[in-house]
This record gives sequence, C-alpha cells and structure tokens, in this order.
Amino acid sequence: DQQVKQNSPSLSVQEGRISILNCDYTNSMFDYFLWYKKYPAEGPTFLISISSIKDKNEDGRFTVFLNKSAKHLSLHIVPSQPGDSAVYFCAALNYGGATNKLIFGTGTLLAVQP
Amino acid sequence: DAGITQSPRHKVTETGTPVTLRCHQTENHRYMYWYRQDPGHGLRLIHYSYGVKDTDKGEVSDGYSVSRSKTEDFLLTLESATSSQTSVYFCAISVGGNFEQFFGPGTRLTVL
Repeated sequence: DQQVKQNSPSLSVQEGRISILNCDYTNSMFDYFLWYKKYPAEGPTFLISISSIKDKNEDGRFTVFLNKSAKHLSLHIVPSQPGDSAVYFCAALNYGGATNKLIFGTGTLLAVQP
Repeated sequence: DAGITQSPRHKVTETGTPVTLRCHQTENHRYMYWYRQDPGHGLRLIHYSYGVKDTDKGEVSDGYSVSRSKTEDFLLTLESATSSQTSVYFCAISVGGNFEQFFGPGTRLTVL
C-alpha cells in the first residue's frame, strides 16, 4: 500500500511559469515532509522540507504548502527554469520514529521548456 | 557534498552470483541507509543502520543483507542475485538530529 503518492508521473511547464508538483499521503502519523530533486545518473538532493506544525515554507523560488486536513502537500517553483528539469520526489516520516525512516513517493518528472 | 561514495558505480552480474555494494562516508555519521530505485516505485528502503553492528530491515529487505563493522562503511550484499534485483541502489546518511538524508551517487546493478 503506497503511503505517499505522486499521481502525476510527469509535468511540462514553460520557462518562467509556475510549476506545481503534488503529493498525497495516507498515514496521519506523518509529521515531517521533504522534497528531493534528482537528475539522471545522480543521487537525489534535498530541496526543501516542512514540519506538520506549519502550512508553508519558502526558500527562494521554492515553496512547499501543507494541507493536513486533506493530507496533501505541494511544491511550487516560481519562476521555473530549464535547470529545474528533473524528477521530484516527496517523502514523509513520523518524527516519533527514532531512525529517520523516510517513505518516498514514486516521483514526478518535471520538464521545463525554454 | 556529504562525503558519500559508492562502489562500484556500475556492475553487471549473472543470476545466482553474490554481489556486494559498498557505501563509504567520511564524516562519521551515525545513520546510514540503503535504497533501491525502480520505475513506478520511487525509492524504497532496503536496510538501515543506526550504529556499528546495529542494523535493521526496511520495506524491501528480502534477498539482501547488510553489515557495518566500521562507522564509515555500510555494505549491502545480495547473497544470490536475481533478475528482480536489477535496479539502481542508493546509499544515504542522515546528519545528527536533522531529518534530511543525503544521498550517494548510486550504483547501477544489472543481473542477467
């Protein structure tokens, strides 16, 4: 059973426009969420995170929104740039677990067209 | 750069042969993880370690074993490789009390 879901396998956006990547989760015990970006032939790199006590976290062009009642989070990239083209994974964990075990979604491939 | 290296970076092997992948870190972090990445599945945790000789299973541990005899090295072993273990394997570490994990460059394993 997939506890973290990214229902859009791919997304195509024009350069300069907003990219919105979505993620849904089923486990109400999750209380910390992360986004990772992955280029081909490289390991995932941490992008941004949010605690369940917040509903928004912003870092430059990247903003993550969390809607706990809907068990939904989204990553906004504004403005999108061709270098943002990558696979984006959302991940979740339960802070009560001592081992920082992340549960990942299946990923969304973002293509930013020049 | 969290000082994580993986070896080998690519390997082709035959069904039934043993395979060991190595993850090496240079900064003495306590927690280390092994994931596999497959299309349609994202990243799935195989095994993790919370200290020397302290390891535990993840969600897809069948067919895999791990060892950690030194803080800096975390080994993943496929005792008898199968074609279903063809995948890209990533090692990760987490730093102190932070939840973020930092990943190595990956090992692409093909089992024929």
